[in-house]
Amino acid sequence: QVQLQESGPGLVEPSGTLSLTCAVSGASLNFPFWWSWLRQPPGKGLEWIGKISYTALTEYNPSLNSRVTFSIDKSKNQFSLNLNSVTAADTARYYCARDGNFKFDAWGQGLLVTVSS
Amino acid sequence: QSALTQPASVSGSPGQSVTISCTGTSTDVAAYNFVSWYQQHPGKAPKLIIYDVTDRPSGVSDRFSGSKSGITASLTISGLQAEDEATYHCISYSGSSTWVFGGGTKLTVL
Repeated sequence: QVQLQESGPGLVEPSGTLSLTCAVSGASLNFPFWWSWLRQPPGKGLEWIGKISYTALTEYNPSLNSRVTFSIDKSKNQFSLNLNSVTAADTARYYCARDGNFKFDAWGQGLLVTVSS
Repeated sequence: QSALTQPASVSGSPGQSVTISCTGTSTDVAAYNFVSWYQQHPGKAPKLIIYDVTDRPSGVSDRFSGSKSGITASLTISGLQAEDEATYHCISYSGSSTWVFGGGTKLTVL
């Protein structure tokens, strides 16, 4: 069974960089899957941030493209998100998920990140 | 405002059936058979319950079923149980590696 676990700071200052890591167990990042980041602002719906492949190819939501960067570390079986120049609008619960053929078939528990000074 | 329109809430009594709609456009729901549905209990991660409009992952109850007509996809839950009380999200592929999401529907089991 594939399990994902997000980690990182729960509080980020405005204009700073939000950095999160997703540790994967039960599946190897060497296999041909894409891995996505999504977020859910409080009381709102989900938003797709982007995805990274096992070969480190990336695709980003155009609305966040200029601020977001993904990376993958297959030796640690984890992948990461960096979102810079954050504002209060970036306050959300952030999820990592496996993108398996047009569906998100495994999710992390999510991590609430608040942007505030 | 979400790209896919879902009702904010629905309700039903145990044993009844409820249907949750998810309305998109000709460039997402109508264009692709890649609509998926997720169940989310409070404080928990979303769980995939329907993919490719009508398919169920292994282990998901057959009380959950999906369908699509034109720009509207639907999730039907039959034989409602207390454990079905949750928020349900629809997601549709919209081409060029992009996705659109519904705002989520809170199901209350009366």
